[in-house]
Amino acid sequence: QSMLTQPPSASGTPGQRVTISCSGSSSNIGSNPVNWYQQLPGTAPRVLIYSNNQRPSGVPDRFSGSKSGTSASLAITGLQSEDEADYYCAAWHDSLNGVVFGGGTKLTVL
Amino acid sequence: QMQLRESGPGLVKPSETLSLTCSVSGGSVTYNTYYWGWIRQAPGKGLEWIASIYYSGTTYYNPSLKSRVTMSVDTSQNQFSLFLTSATAADTAVYFCAAINPILAVDYWGQGALVTVSS
Repeated sequence: QSMLTQPPSASGTPGQRVTISCSGSSSNIGSNPVNWYQQLPGTAPRVLIYSNNQRPSGVPDRFSGSKSGTSASLAITGLQSEDEADYYCAAWHDSLNGVVFGGGTKLTVL
Repeated sequence: QMQLRESGPGLVKPSETLSLTCSVSGGSVTYNTYYWGWIRQAPGKGLEWIASIYYSGTTYYNPSLKSRVTMSVDTSQNQFSLFLTSATAADTAVYFCAAINPILAVDYWGQGALVTVSS
């Protein structure tokens, strides 16, 4: 069982807006930044959002992140077929001195 | 741009020790801005943090694996290693080495190495 909770699946049609939620605790999301990763089949995850709402260079501005208290969310606007992937939230966990992940959300573009 | 690359046996027999090494290039394992860690992903499953080591040698382990896991760092080779004893089929996974810190979580990932535990 993952320490961060995400919905197992999400879906939308091209052009739509979808959001993926991530819930944690005061020991992880509540006290540390949230990061989001996109994973395509057979590849390593890549950073999509870091420090709650920052995008690395090369990530389209269709992707945005937010955090409030012990929860966070990833929003994708103008959904495209290439957005079909698995998405993971992650945060540092204070007492573990390690990273905790959400269980992952499989995004399907209908 | 830092790069990490995993190496080690792709097949391990049950009850034996799974060993992997991560070679770091474009950076140094003595950087104090990162913890060096291992993350795994079982087939069709999510990501699981296994362990981390700081440049000082201090280690941190996932409580669920703590009794079987050891990490080490070799500053002369700019590498760090994972050792997982008493391997079972449940340890079959893609193992990623990573550069981790409290702000960015996983900042750099290795490409991943599939390890299968089977006789």
